[in-house]
Order: sequence, then C-alpha cells, then structure tokens
Amino acid sequence: DAKTTQPTSMDCAEGRAANLPCNHSTISGNEYVYWYRQIHSQGPQYIIHGLKNNETNEMASLIITEDRKSSTLILPHATLRDTAVYYCIVNGGGSNYKLTFGKGTLLTVNP
Amino acid sequence: NAGVMQNPRHLVRRRGQEARLRCSPMKGHSHVYWYRQLPEEGLKFMVYLQKENIIDESGMPKERFSAEFPKEGPSILRIQQVVRGDSAAYFCASSLNTLAGSYNEQFFGPGTRLTVL
Repeated sequence: DAKTTQPTSMDCAEGRAANLPCNHSTISGNEYVYWYRQIHSQGPQYIIHGLKNNETNEMASLIITEDRKSSTLILPHATLRDTAVYYCIVNGGGSNYKLTFGKGTLLTVNP
Repeated sequence: NAGVMQNPRHLVRRRGQEARLRCSPMKGHSHVYWYRQLPEEGLKFMVYLQKENIIDESGMPKERFSAEFPKEGPSILRIQQVVRGDSAAYFCASSLNTLAGSYNEQFFGPGTRLTVL
C-alpha cells in the first residue's frame, strides 16, 4: 500500500473550516483514499473515502488532486468535538481490507 | 442498528493468564478484522476473518495469539500466557464486503483495553 504523509498536528478555531492535507505520491491506480479519525480512547471512526473524484458527505468533503498524489479533508465548520487524530489511509487491490494507520494528524479545535 | 460491540471494555490480567476478547460485528456484516494499538502508536492489522475461516493472519504474533469467528456467536481473540508487552488496546472492525479492487469501509468497535500486571 502507498505510504502517506500528514502533518503531526494542526489547530483550528471553532466554527471555521479545518483543512487537513495528506500526501500520497506513490498511490496506485486502483487504490482508494480513506479518512478515519480517532477521538481520544475511542475506536476509529470512518469519515469518507474517494478514488478520483471529490466526495462529500454529512461529515466532510474530500478533495483529491487530479494526479491523485495528494488530498485534503475538509471539515466545513469545526466544533470542539472534532478534536481528534485524523488518519489518511491509502489502500486497495487484493489486500484492500488491511488498513495501515500511520501517526495521523492531531487536530485541535480551539474555542 | 447497533454498531460493532466489544467486550469487555477493560481487562486486567496477570502475567501467564489467558485473555479472551469478544467482538460482535454490525448486523449483516460477515467480515471481521482485529487491530492492536500500542500506546502512542497507530493501529496495526492483526487478522481478518470470515465466518468459520481465517483469511489473513499475517499480523498475528506467531505464538500465543489465536482468533476465531464461529458460525454462531462473536469473534474471539485469544491471548494465552499474557506478558506485559501484550498491554494495548485491541480493536475489532467489521465490513460488508471486501471485493478485491473495491473499497472497504470498516466500522470499528470501542476497543478492549488489556492491561497485564
């Protein structure tokens, strides 16, 4: 699976948009980009995934660059409860079930 | 629709004892995964099971660890003769499909925190 690179930490003001970047320059054509988050001491929570096109759901938007080498997760109106570690995962092919969690980005939403 | 359930949420064992962790997948899900999270680290894949079958156990330690997902009942992760290094959070996830080349959305349980004294 392709390796991902994320900033260690980010801060965001409550009510503002949080934009979390992820680099995955070695991504293959059949690999998806997934975002999960883990709020302290809880299990990871699925947020969104995408292949080529931008995606939006009730939680977030996912913007994938045209060359697919990077992506950005957007939380449009961050709240204090969005404080968590956010993981960008690239996965696909025959072992698409084996999610590889790196260090992620600790997003702190400040009042 | 209940999510993935795990029990116990916290488990304390002394060295040499056995730890048995249970996971009930989401309704309708027949694919179960176990992950381990050591302190200050990301989750690491351990094993992937379908009903009565182990599909991939490449992340399981070679000794003392075993997993099953019987036809009836929850999936069980069993750790025999626990050591202090087994102290970690163990997460179970389930999914609806794992078609090769397709996406695989996994839903995680709250985890079992194992402490070995």
